[in-house]
Amino acid sequence: QKEVEQNSGPLSVPEGAIASLNCTYSDRVSQSFFWYRQYSGKSPELIMSIYSNGDKEDGRFTAQLNKASQYVSLLIRDSQPSDSATYLCAVTIYGQNFVFGPGTRLSVLP
Amino acid sequence: DVKVTQSSRYLVKRTGEKVFLECVQDMDHENMFWYRQDPGLGLRLIYFSYDVKMKEKGDIPEGYSVSREKKERFSLILESASTNQTSMYLCASTLMGGRDTQYFGPGTRLTVL
Repeated sequence: QKEVEQNSGPLSVPEGAIASLNCTYSDRVSQSFFWYRQYSGKSPELIMSIYSNGDKEDGRFTAQLNKASQYVSLLIRDSQPSDSATYLCAVTIYGQNFVFGPGTRLSVLP
Repeated sequence: DVKVTQSSRYLVKRTGEKVFLECVQDMDHENMFWYRQDPGLGLRLIYFSYDVKMKEKGDIPEGYSVSREKKERFSLILESASTNQTSMYLCASTLMGGRDTQYFGPGTRLTVL
């Protein structure tokens, strides 16, 4: 059974701080990794995808992948109250379905 | 721009009713998915389809069926709605498997009384 685990939170950070969200996965052959943001009552929207070991930056967001440790993280710099949401980690192997983590609830305090 | 639409944002039905949830994507995507999302349980895959007229069971298919007669449309059917099917239903699509991003529709919040 493929599993993706996340700390459910809530993770609370002050405005302007760095928020660090973590995700571990069980299937060593996983190839593609995604972070989605979901506001309450809304559907998930893609923030970033990452496929290779290392860091990938997009604006205030940085995804980090370590396949040896089966670990993917999302850093949000200069956190804003509008970043308050649930963040879903998703993992897939080529040709197979996504496996989603349970999500981490982030609260950015003004 | 990527677009996945769902027929209703909110739906209220009675126990035993037949319920149809429609999903349409305009991106010519091959793959379409139906999930339900419940507090504490995350996203759970109900059914998916890799091609027209093809369907595969996901993790929780019991009590549901699907139909895909056209590439752009994927319907979820609750043959006889029950109260434990009260949930948020999310449709998603991808171009192919693997590296392709899943794009989600806005969701349908279904309440079964």
